[in-house]
Amino acid sequence: DAGVIQSPRHEVTEMGQEVTLRCKPISGHDYLFWYRQTMMRGLELLIYFNNNVPIDDSGMPEDRFSAKMPNASFSTLKIQPSEPRDSAVYFCASSLQSVNREAFFGQGTRLTVV
Amino acid sequence: AQKVTQAQTEISVVEKEDVTLDCVYETRDTTYYLFWYKQPPSGELVFLIRRNSFDEQNEISGRYSWNFQKSTSSFNFTITASQVVDSAVYFCALSRDSGTYKYIFGTGTRLKVLA
Repeated sequence: DAGVIQSPRHEVTEMGQEVTLRCKPISGHDYLFWYRQTMMRGLELLIYFNNNVPIDDSGMPEDRFSAKMPNASFSTLKIQPSEPRDSAVYFCASSLQSVNREAFFGQGTRLTVV
Repeated sequence: AQKVTQAQTEISVVEKEDVTLDCVYETRDTTYYLFWYKQPPSGELVFLIRRNSFDEQNEISGRYSWNFQKSTSSFNFTITASQVVDSAVYFCALSRDSGTYKYIFGTGTRLKVLA
């Protein structure tokens, strides 16, 4: 398997613009997680899905953030409008909780909002 | 509440030295899972090991070994004969067995191995 695939790897956008981050989980995995990593806050969970259904979105910082998982092989994290403080590395991860449990991470999307 | 503490922010060692990274966790659950991840300079997070709360056996994988002690709520990671390629940030994480499956990460320990 190719692992978790995230796109784009780098994104630079202007404040106020809409940003969409994409993730393709490992085939067969039933959980998908979106994490954000910053120097100040470390790795923090934003939202996770089980079988495409959002389970816990308590980590989503504001209404400007939204996430969807329309099918088992694709998820998006959208920020609208973006702000400089959203600059971070965003990781997507997937896992098969019934068996392995460990989460496999994508390479991350480095977002810079100027 | 669940919490993971990695008190060592940064460690520097000379190549071939042994180094231990500490991880202390808090949870009220009786069943839980612990993990270690490596984040090399390239930025990706690499899974290293998973341990469930019922398995306190130490594990060795090559130069890596893990010491899980429920009595002290610790899950420490030792690298033997460190190499420059071991330079990375290492994260310890905790996950519940049921209910919410989210991972609680520690703040990470940056390991620098000097040639």
